[in-house]
Amino acid sequence: QVQLQQWGAGLLKPSETLSLTCAVYGGSFNEDYWSWIRQPPGQGLEWIGEINHSGSTNYYPSLKSRATISVDTSKNQFSLKLNSVTAADTAVYFCARDPRYGSGNEYDNWGQGTLITVSS
Amino acid sequence: QSVLTQPPSVSAAPGQKVTISCSGSSSNIGNNYVSWYQQFPGTAPKLLIYDNNKRHSGIPDRISGSKSGTSATLGITGLQTGDEADYYCGSWDSSLTAVVFGGGTKLTVL
Repeated sequence: QVQLQQWGAGLLKPSETLSLTCAVYGGSFNEDYWSWIRQPPGQGLEWIGEINHSGSTNYYPSLKSRATISVDTSKNQFSLKLNSVTAADTAVYFCARDPRYGSGNEYDNWGQGTLITVSS
Repeated sequence: QSVLTQPPSVSAAPGQKVTISCSGSSSNIGNNYVSWYQQFPGTAPKLLIYDNNKRHSGIPDRISGSKSGTSATLGITGLQTGDEADYYCGSWDSSLTAVVFGGGTKLTVL
């Protein structure tokens, strides 16, 4: 049974840097891909990016210049930093596992979600 | 504006069948696999379907997925009040080199 537990500061001012970490318990950390997905209030899901154990990353194009996803295999953790935040970055942020047991992308385990509010 | 297009809402009576559509393009659904998620308010999404039509572990066979061309469909038969939730489709987009989602569909069981 894989469990994801995430944490990070929930209230930010414009221009500050969002920082979230997700710890993975159970499963095979080095075999899976690890993603960050966000959901603005009352809206749909938005993919931010992904990383694997070797540090290979993909980002959504519109966020690529501000987002950095990193991995710490010694702790089975991965992190998201998003700099220069604005009110448009206000959302619930989820970490998620993509086990790639299929041929596409599928997220079968999710963190509990963290509400990030950007306000002056 | 989401890359994949879903109807904002669908509804049906208990016991009936409902389908939720997800429309994309050749850069995503047309040449990549589709997954479907169920989300209740205040909770994380739950994987229902992956690889277009494969049910995730523990998902009942009254839930199904299909794909044709650049569109995908989620089907739910024998509707129950507990199926009332938001449903999202997702797929890899080869042009964006990113995962894209639909805007979500709210299912109401009347």
